[in-house]
Amino acid sequence: AQSVTQLDSQVPVFEEAPVELRCNYSSSVSVYLFWYVQYPNQGLQLLLKYLSGSTLVKGINGFEAEFNKSQTSFHLRKPSVHISDTAEYFCAVNDSTSYDKVIFGPGTSLSVIP
Amino acid sequence: GAGVSQSPSNKVTEKGKDVELRCDPISGHTALYWYRQSLGQGLEFLIYFQGNSAPDKSGLPSDRFSAERTGGSVSTLTIQRTQQEDSAVYLCASSLGLAGISYNEQFFGPGTRLTVL
Repeated sequence: AQSVTQLDSQVPVFEEAPVELRCNYSSSVSVYLFWYVQYPNQGLQLLLKYLSGSTLVKGINGFEAEFNKSQTSFHLRKPSVHISDTAEYFCAVNDSTSYDKVIFGPGTSLSVIP
Repeated sequence: GAGVSQSPSNKVTEKGKDVELRCDPISGHTALYWYRQSLGQGLEFLIYFQGNSAPDKSGLPSDRFSAERTGGSVSTLTIQRTQQEDSAVYLCASSLGLAGISYNEQFFGPGTRLTVL
């Protein structure tokens, strides 16, 4: 069975500092990987996705993530965060045999401190 | 509409009552999903519709939970005899649901916050 782990439930970081949100997954088949962001009192929004090809994917708002198959990781990074990046971030996976079912991690709450 | 809408945005009910949550997907989206987001938890998959049929009901936590979709559009999630552990945010998402495509992006609604007293 697939699962997604986000080890850091809360990450405080100062404005303009870099940040990395960690995500590890378990799956026995090829996967598609995603990061979603949920701003306060809003629905989830797709930040970026890895389907195939280059392991470094770029998303909206200056975020990027790198797929590492050997480490089964898909960590999210941003070189310089802004106050507006304060949100909940969810890593998610679906396997290539079940395109429409997505398994989400527990989420990481990013707080940007002015 | 421009996006996925859900109603009500907030619902407070008493233990034992039935509740209905509504989801209006993006026009033209054939696939519709329900998730539950509990405090401090990730999103828990509940059910998935393709058109009016539900090929995957595996996530429904108990027989108190049911969902239907009519006309390939609006969906209703019903929780009977609500319990306090049902308190959560219920999220709906829709996608184009096109067969043969590797991935159909899911677009999420703002959710319904359910509180069972």
